Amino acid sequence: DQQVKQNSPSLSVQEGRISILNCDYTNSMFDYFLWYKKYPAEGPTFLISISSIKDKNEDGRFTVFLNKSAKHLSLHIVPSQPGDSAVYFCAAIKPGAGSYQLTFGKGTKLSVIP
Amino acid sequence: DTAVSQTPKYLVTQMGNDKSIKCEQNLGHDTMYWYKQDSKKFLKIMFSYNNKELIINETVPNRFSPKSPDKAHLNLHINSLELGDSAVYFCASSQDYEGQPQHFGDGTRLSIL
Repeated sequence: DQQVKQNSPSLSVQEGRISILNCDYTNSMFDYFLWYKKYPAEGPTFLISISSIKDKNEDGRFTVFLNKSAKHLSLHIVPSQPGDSAVYFCAAIKPGAGSYQLTFGKGTKLSVIP
Repeated sequence: DTAVSQTPKYLVTQMGNDKSIKCEQNLGHDTMYWYKQDSKKFLKIMFSYNNKELIINETVPNRFSPKSPDKAHLNLHINSLELGDSAVYFCASSQDYEGQPQHFGDGTRLSIL
């Protein structure tokens, strides 16, 4: 039962253009959403997060948009750079007693072409 | 300075053996986690642990057990290894309040022969 879905396994974008990575979720109990970036043979690195009470959060070239009614979020990277080439994971937190475990999507591999 | 470090990075062993993976964090975080990334690249939570509570994902076999000697360490012990245990195991840590991002180690690739 996949509660967080990233339906595009891969995405290719030209350098300088916008990259848009999408994520859908099914569990309305999620109240925080995070994006992680992962290079091969390394652990995921936190990029940006958003609380469910907001619809947008921006940090430099990265912006996350949340549409609660559609249970959909997206990560925008502008402008895309070759160093952004990596696997991007969408993750969600459903708070429980003393634990903030992440539920991950399967990831989208972004390739930024110079 | 490595924030979350795991050892070993690679572990190759025979079916039926018992093995441990160590994890240490120097971030002063309260909570630590173990995740498993299987062959389909899915990252799934196995355990979360702080000084108050151990929470176990119900799908984790009881051959897997976390051991925390102190707040900065959460080791993973695996008994009677099976072929299906082959995966990459990631340790992570975070502050114990809502919305805090988790910081991950670089993973331990476990291969069962």
